[in-house]
Amino acid sequence: DQQVKQNSPSLSVQEGRISILNCDYTNSMFDYFLWYKKYPAEGPTFLISISSIKDKNEDGRFTVFLNKSAKHLSLHIVPSQPGDSAVYFCAAYAYSGAGSYQLTFGKGTKLSVIP
Amino acid sequence: KAGVTQTPRYLIKTRGQQVTLSCSPISGHRSVSWYQQTPGQGLQFLFEYFSETQRNKGNFPGRFSGRQFSNSRSEMNVSTLELGDSALYLCASSLAPPEAFFGQGTRLTVV
Repeated sequence: DQQVKQNSPSLSVQEGRISILNCDYTNSMFDYFLWYKKYPAEGPTFLISISSIKDKNEDGRFTVFLNKSAKHLSLHIVPSQPGDSAVYFCAAYAYSGAGSYQLTFGKGTKLSVIP
Repeated sequence: KAGVTQTPRYLIKTRGQQVTLSCSPISGHRSVSWYQQTPGQGLQFLFEYFSETQRNKGNFPGRFSGRQFSNSRSEMNVSTLELGDSALYLCASSLAPPEAFFGQGTRLTVV
């Protein structure tokens, strides 16, 4: 049962345009969401996060929107640059008892920004 | 400030062998988590350690185990390796949830 879904395995965007990456989740206990960027043969790099009490968080060219009623979040990159080409993972966090926590990841969306 | 360090970066093992991977977290981070990344399954949670105690475990067989030392460094061990264990193993350290900082990973190939 996949609790975090990224339904688009890949996305191609022209340089300078907006990239929109989508993520859906099923577990209503998730209370924090994160986006990670990953290059091949490297570990994921934290990009931006959002708490479930907010609906928008912005950091430079990156904005994450959260729609709790739809259990949907999206990452907007404006303007897109060739260096943004990578795999983007959506992750969700829910407290799991005894102070522990784990991140549940989607399967990723490969973004290609075309010069 | 040094990031999360995983060693070795690459490893080739034969079926049936065992392997130990190491992770040194960011200084001051006491939580260390391990994830397995495969092309078909994405990143899957293995286990999390905090102050030398395993606090949470993912849905993996008992062949996967780990431990954490008093300096927060962590090791994970996989015994009786199978071809399906070939994956990128990622370690993440955390100061406070939910943000986790990942190492570059260890690429394990089982032949």
